Amino acid sequence: DVKVTQSSRYLVKRTGEKVFLECVQDMDHENMFWYRQDPGLGLRLIYFSYYVKKKEKGDIPEGYSVSREKKERFSLILESASTNQTSMYLCASRNRDSLAGLYNEQFFGPGTRLTVL
Amino acid sequence: EDKVVQSPLSLVVHEGDTVTLNCSYEVTNFRSLLWYKQEKKAPTFLFMLTSSGIEKKSGRLSSILDKKELFSILNITATQTGDSAIYLCAVEVDRGAGSYQLTFGKGTKLSVIP
Repeated sequence: DVKVTQSSRYLVKRTGEKVFLECVQDMDHENMFWYRQDPGLGLRLIYFSYYVKKKEKGDIPEGYSVSREKKERFSLILESASTNQTSMYLCASRNRDSLAGLYNEQFFGPGTRLTVL
Repeated sequence: EDKVVQSPLSLVVHEGDTVTLNCSYEVTNFRSLLWYKQEKKAPTFLFMLTSSGIEKKSGRLSSILDKKELFSILNITATQTGDSAIYLCAVEVDRGAGSYQLTFGKGTKLSVIP
């Protein structure tokens, strides 16, 4: 079974702190993603990485950065946390499409509920 | 801007009822449409649809895609309390250079009461 793990289920930080959210997948997937999920807004893509050291901005990258130094690990960084970054953060991974042209789905981690005071 | 719209946003039914959840989309470079079920934590994958008119089925759940009218439906027959969840529709688009992005709808919250 694919496993996507996130470093914390719950996290409480203060405004201005630097926050690291870690995500690890064990299936050698090439693509990894960070989303935030808010009531009434659904899941929104923050950043994604389609290979090691490659990163792409998603729909709401402001206030975030990412790091992917190893294939299995994708980190989301809040340089200076603010209260509007209080949210549920979900990491996902996906294998690249097969040579036969079959597409693959994204697998999600359990989420980190971050509260910024 | 890519857009995925789900309806209804919430739904309350009795056990045994049949429900239909809707998802319409307007995107550039469509690849596939996916349905996920989310209970308390991580969304879990249900279906991926890439071709029009071909029904995907798993137990009491089924889904179909219409690429001409740009929508999909998810049907759940003989609902059970365990079907209570948020159902998410997402469309995968091709961003080029081997990168693909999901755009999600806001979800339909289904509550099944005994």
